[in-house]
Amino acid sequence: QSVMTQPPSASGTPGQRVTISCSGSSSNIGSKTVNWYQQFPGTAPKLLIHSNDQRPSGVPDRFSGSKSGTSASLAISGLQSEDEADYYCSAWDDNMNGPMFGGGTKLTVL
Amino acid sequence: QVRLQESGPVLVKPSQTLSLTCTVSGGSISSGDYYWSWIRQPAGKGLEWLGRIYITGNTKYNPSVKSRVTISMDTSKNQVSLKLSSVTAADTAVYYCAATDYYVSGSPFDYWGQGNLVTVSS
Repeated sequence: QSVMTQPPSASGTPGQRVTISCSGSSSNIGSKTVNWYQQFPGTAPKLLIHSNDQRPSGVPDRFSGSKSGTSASLAISGLQSEDEADYYCSAWDDNMNGPMFGGGTKLTVL
Repeated sequence: QVRLQESGPVLVKPSQTLSLTCTVSGGSISSGDYYWSWIRQPAGKGLEWLGRIYITGNTKYNPSVKSRVTISMDTSKNQVSLKLSSVTAADTAVYYCAATDYYVSGSPFDYWGQGNLVTVSS
């Protein structure tokens, strides 16, 4: 069964740069594009990055995405308190024949 | 701007069928511009895609729920529906409907409803 793995937690201080990793396999990240979502408590997820490194309109350029092989990363520079949220990676998985999500990473701004 | 609104019962008894409706505004589900998906999230846990439908009627389902799930469309009401049968406590979650641009590869979910919490309990 395919899995996409994220660290359960990450943290940083205001102004720092933090990265969140997402590890997959050849059936998902290795052959498909990666999307990232931001979710605040009690609200629906919001698309943050699509197609590995593209920001939808309105997303600050402090957020950036990258992909290499079967792994992807979300980087947040100039960390702000309002960035404290849960972050999910996602990619189509050929085994499941549908989009798969990573387990999510809770980002804490210290 | 597409807007999605889920509605349905908040409490379902075990072994019964969970039924939710997603009403779409700001666009027509008949346009063919979007895939319409259902995604759920148990409290404190991650996201799970359940399935999707396109205007042609073509559906895809997550194998984990394929035997129990049905997604359908009512174009006259601009609604997408979810039915999940034989529910157990493990199906307790917030259920979201979401839209994916048909013309964009990689299936990013551009639009989300606000979510509908469904609790399975007797």
